[in-house]
Amino acid sequence: DVKVTQSSRYLVKRTGEKVFLECVQDMDHENMFWYRQDPGLGLRLIYFSYDVKMKEKGDIPEGYSVSREKKERFSLILESASTNQTSMYLCASSLWGQGIMNTEAFFGQGTRLTVV
Amino acid sequence: QKEVEQNSGPLSVPEGAIASLNCTYSDRGSQSFFWYRQYSGKSPELIMFIYSNGDKEDGRFTAQLNKASQYVSLLIRDSQPSDSATYLCAAEPGGGADGLTFGKGTHLIIQP
Repeated sequence: DVKVTQSSRYLVKRTGEKVFLECVQDMDHENMFWYRQDPGLGLRLIYFSYDVKMKEKGDIPEGYSVSREKKERFSLILESASTNQTSMYLCASSLWGQGIMNTEAFFGQGTRLTVV
Repeated sequence: QKEVEQNSGPLSVPEGAIASLNCTYSDRGSQSFFWYRQYSGKSPELIMFIYSNGDKEDGRFTAQLNKASQYVSLLIRDSQPSDSATYLCAAEPGGGADGLTFGKGTHLIIQP
């Protein structure tokens, strides 16, 4: 069974703290993604990575950074947490390659982060 | 800007009827399209994907794609209360690493 695992289901952090969200996949996928999901705004892409040590900005990268030191692991970092980063964070992974039509994104269980 | 548009709903359908969910996309280069189901508080899970014009059936679900009209739909036959969820439509440019562009989702309610 394919698996994307996020390190925490629920997290409460204080304003200004540095926050690490970890994601691990066991499918040997090249692509990994971090989304945040907010009511009325849907899923928004923060960052993605298509290879080890490679990263690309998504639609809303401000206030975030990422790290991908190993193929299976993709970390999202909130450098200085703020209350407007309170959200559900979803990690996903998928295959990559020209001609691959099923690039289904497999999601982790999500991390609900509250910044107080 | 690549966009995927969906009616947010809620869409209310009687149990046993056909639920019809619609989606339009702006990027003509999109090649593959995905329908995800998301229950409240859970992560999205894939129902179907489609990349050829026409219909694709899987059990009670049928996905329809019309690339000329840039339109994707999902039909759910014999709707069940367990189908009540938010349905996300997503488009992918095709073989690339940019990831899926998601619509905001349609909230579907199946009334017993």
